[in-house]
Amino acid sequence: GNSVTQMEGPVTLSEEAFLTINCTYTATGYPSLFWYVQYPGEGLQLLLKATKADDKGSNKGFEATYRKETTSFHLEKGSVQVSDSAVYFCALSSRRSNDYKLSFGAGTTVTVRA
Amino acid sequence: DSGVTQTPKHLITATGQRVTLRCSPRSGDLSVYWYQQSLDQGLQFLIQYYNGEERAKGNILERFSAQQFPDLHSELNLSSLELGDSALYFCASSALAGGITDTQYFGPGTRLTVL
Repeated sequence: GNSVTQMEGPVTLSEEAFLTINCTYTATGYPSLFWYVQYPGEGLQLLLKATKADDKGSNKGFEATYRKETTSFHLEKGSVQVSDSAVYFCALSSRRSNDYKLSFGAGTTVTVRA
Repeated sequence: DSGVTQTPKHLITATGQRVTLRCSPRSGDLSVYWYQQSLDQGLQFLIQYYNGEERAKGNILERFSAQQFPDLHSELNLSSLELGDSALYFCASSALAGGITDTQYFGPGTRLTVL
């Protein structure tokens, strides 16, 4: 079956620090990969996505590259801000079956201090 | 704002009761997905509807049911509620039934508290 493993938090950083959140996956076929972000008290927002190997998704200074050889989709940002404090979820959608539900990782809580 | 709306925002009820959660998808989207977010289970897929028909089923309890109406809004019905059903319930919508270009957009969620 499909599964996503992401690094456990919480992660606490200072402003302008470099952020990496590791995500690895197990899937049948060739999944699409996503990062969603959940700000305090809000719903999930799509942050970025990649649909095939070596694709790089990017948005708001965040980047993640679809690495088929290591089955990974690590999220990075070069200089975080206090406003980046949120819970980050890695997710996949299997392309092979007729079932396109999202399978999520456990989420990583990130706190950025001024 | 994703364009997906959910009502109510909060719901407090007692064990054994029944509640209905409502979701309106983004304009033009044909698929609606329901997810449950709890502290112990994380984010779990419950069920998907596409253009009024059930498309896929996940870890949905028999006490739970859903439907999608002709105007494409969806309702999730939870009955015989237990304390463990307390969670955040998200609805998501997408344009198609699924596929590599089909992205799910999430609503703000309904927080259900069962006392």
